[in-house]
Amino acid sequence: DAGVIQSPRHEVTEMGQEVTLRCKPISGHNSLFWYRQTMMRGLELLIYFNNNVPIDDSGMPEDRFSAKMPNASFSTLKIQPSEPRDSAVYFCASSFGQSTNQPQHFGDGTRLSIL
Amino acid sequence: AQSVTQLGSHVSVSEGALVLLRCNYSSSVPPYLFWYVQYPNQGLQLLLKYTTGATLVKGINGFEAEFKKSETSFHLTKPSAHMSDAAEYFCAVSNSGGGADGLTFGKGTHLIIQP
Repeated sequence: DAGVIQSPRHEVTEMGQEVTLRCKPISGHNSLFWYRQTMMRGLELLIYFNNNVPIDDSGMPEDRFSAKMPNASFSTLKIQPSEPRDSAVYFCASSFGQSTNQPQHFGDGTRLSIL
Repeated sequence: AQSVTQLGSHVSVSEGALVLLRCNYSSSVPPYLFWYVQYPNQGLQLLLKYTTGATLVKGINGFEAEFKKSETSFHLTKPSAHMSDAAEYFCAVSNSGGGADGLTFGKGTHLIIQP
C-alpha cells in the first residue's frame, strides 16, 4: 500500500517567494497532520485536520503560513512570503479514526531551504 | 499542556549491548505514549505505543517500553543492539487523552552503535 506521499522532497527558493508543500494521505485516513522539524525546536505540530476540517492551527507560527485540505486525498501547506527562518523539514502524517489508538503514519518530508 | 523530555541527545552502545533510551512525560490527561524511529532522510516510523492496558509494550525490531505512571516515564529498551538500530528515536505523547489529536514530541535521542 502507498504510504503518505509528500512533494516536493526538496525545495530551495529565495526569500520572499511563495512556497507550496503538498501531501497525499493514505487512502481511507481521515486525519491529517503537518509538522515542522528543526534542529533548534525539534518536531512541532503546526496544524491538523479531521474529515478535511482544520481542528487546531495553534501551532502555525505566523499569518504567512496557511494550510488547506480541499478533499480527503490532498492537502497543502503554503508559506507566503517565505523567510530564511522557515528553513526546515516539513512532515505530513495521516491516521484513521477518532482515536489516538490509531498511529500516525508519516511521509518522508519536504526539506525546505530559504536563501 | 503536554511535554516530553528525552534524557541524552546522544546515546552510544556497543553492538550486542543493552539499549536504554529514556523518556519522561508530563500530561494533564491519561497519556497515550509513542516511540518513533527516524532513519536519515526519511519520515518517522512507529516503533510502539501505549494507550491502555498492559504497561509493558512490545514493538517492532525487538524494542519494548514500559509505562510507569508513578515515575511518569516510558523508557525504550532492547536487550541486544544491532548495527541497524542506529537512528534517531523520538518519544511522543498525545495532546489529549483520545481523539485524532496531534502529538508532542521530545527532542530526540541519536542512537550510535559501536562495532
